[in-house]
Amino acid sequence: DVKVTQSSRYLVKRTGEKVFLECVQDMDHENMFWYRQDPGLGLRLIYFSYDVKMKEKGDIPEGYSVSREKKERFSLILESASTNQTSMYLCASSLKGSTNTGELFFGEGSRLTVL
Amino acid sequence: GNSVTQMEGPVTLSEEAFLTINCTYTATGYPSLFWYVQYPGEGLQLLLKATKADDKGSNKGFEATYRKETTSFHLEKGSVQVSDSAVYFCALRMDSSYKLIFGSGTRLLVRP
Repeated sequence: DVKVTQSSRYLVKRTGEKVFLECVQDMDHENMFWYRQDPGLGLRLIYFSYDVKMKEKGDIPEGYSVSREKKERFSLILESASTNQTSMYLCASSLKGSTNTGELFFGEGSRLTVL
Repeated sequence: GNSVTQMEGPVTLSEEAFLTINCTYTATGYPSLFWYVQYPGEGLQLLLKATKADDKGSNKGFEATYRKETTSFHLEKGSVQVSDSAVYFCALRMDSSYKLIFGSGTRLLVRP
């Protein structure tokens, strides 16, 4: 069964802390994505990566960075967490190229609270 | 820019009622269209999709038809069950992109 695993389901951090959200997929997918989900706003793309060490900014990259050192792992980093980054973070992956049907496979999400 | 608009929720129905969740889109070109579902405590999963005008996607009793003339992709189900209670997201993807653009989501609550 295909699987996208996010390391932490719930995190509570303080303002100014550095936060790492980890995501691992076991499907050998080239593309990986980080979205944040907020009530009334749906899902908004933060960053995506189409290959190892490659990344592109999404719609709301400010305050975030990412790392993709291995194909299966995509990390989201909050260098200095702020209260407006309290949210649900969703990782997803997909195939690339002609085999890409547009389907994203999602993890269960990481709910981050910044105090 | 490209965008998706969904009806606001929550939508509350009794079991076996007919469901419609409206979705319209704005796109420069002809996108592929998707419905994703998020059950409580879970990540999103693909429910159905359509890649060109007049295509009908269907799965688990849900249907949606890609209507280019009205730029719509409304989700329907003839008889909902309590287990259909979830948040439903409409989304589009342009052929030139890997990214999905999501609507704001519609929460459905089905009562016994």
